[in-house]
Amino acid sequence: DTGVSQDPRHKITKRGQNVTFRCDPISEHNRLYWYRQTLGQGPEFLTYFQNEAQLEKSRLLSDRFSAERPKGSFSTLEIQRTEQGDSAMYLCASSLGPRGRSLMDGYTFGSGTRLTVV
Amino acid sequence: SQQGEEDPQALSIQEGENATMNCSYKTSINNLQWYRQNSGRGLVHLILIRSNEREKHSGRLRVTLDTSKKSSSLLITASRAADTASYFCATAPSGYSTLTFGKGTMLLVSP
Repeated sequence: DTGVSQDPRHKITKRGQNVTFRCDPISEHNRLYWYRQTLGQGPEFLTYFQNEAQLEKSRLLSDRFSAERPKGSFSTLEIQRTEQGDSAMYLCASSLGPRGRSLMDGYTFGSGTRLTVV
Repeated sequence: SQQGEEDPQALSIQEGENATMNCSYKTSINNLQWYRQNSGRGLVHLILIRSNEREKHSGRLRVTLDTSKKSSSLLITASRAADTASYFCATAPSGYSTLTFGKGTMLLVSP
C-alpha cells in the first residue's frame, strides 16, 4: 500500500458537464475526507466518511456535489453541472479513527485532482 | 471557514538559517497539526501536538503550543532549499472529527 491515490490528476471540462473523481485510501484507514483547495488558500473541508457512512457535509457541498464510499473502501466525488467556480484542487485524505469523538491522528493526503472548468 | 491563521503569509530566507512560522486559532482544540505542501501536490503531515503538550520535536522541526494564547509556532532549523513549500497549521477542535486548515505560510529557502 503506497498511500492515498487519486484519479485523475487533472481534469478539464466544459461548464455544465458532470465530472467524477476517485480516491483510494490507505487500506487500514477507516476514515476518508474530501477537501477543496483554491489558489493561495488552505484546504476547505467538504465531507468525510467513517467506513461507508457519510458522517458530515460542509455547507460548501451544494446539491450539485455528491460523494459515496461503497463498502467503505474507495470513494467517489461527483460534481454535476459544473460551474467555473468549481475550478480547484480536490484533495482526498484518510486516517485512522476514531478514539472517542475527536480526531487524534494525522491525515495522509493524496496528490489531488486539479479541476479546470472552461 | 478557516480557523487557523498563519503568520507570516510569506517568508524568504537563506539556506542554513532558521524559519519560524506562527499559527493562531479561535476555539478549544484536542490537537494541532502542521503540514507541508509542495507546489501542485498534496499535503504531507509533519507533526502533531496535543493540547496537553507544550513543545514537541521531530528532526529539524520544533513545534510549540500555547493554549492560553491559542497559538502555535513551527521552527525549522538549518533550513535547506528542499524545505521550500507552503506550510499549514490545522486544528482538531474539541468534539469534532475533522481538521480545519489555515491559509498557510509560503516559505522560500534560497541556496
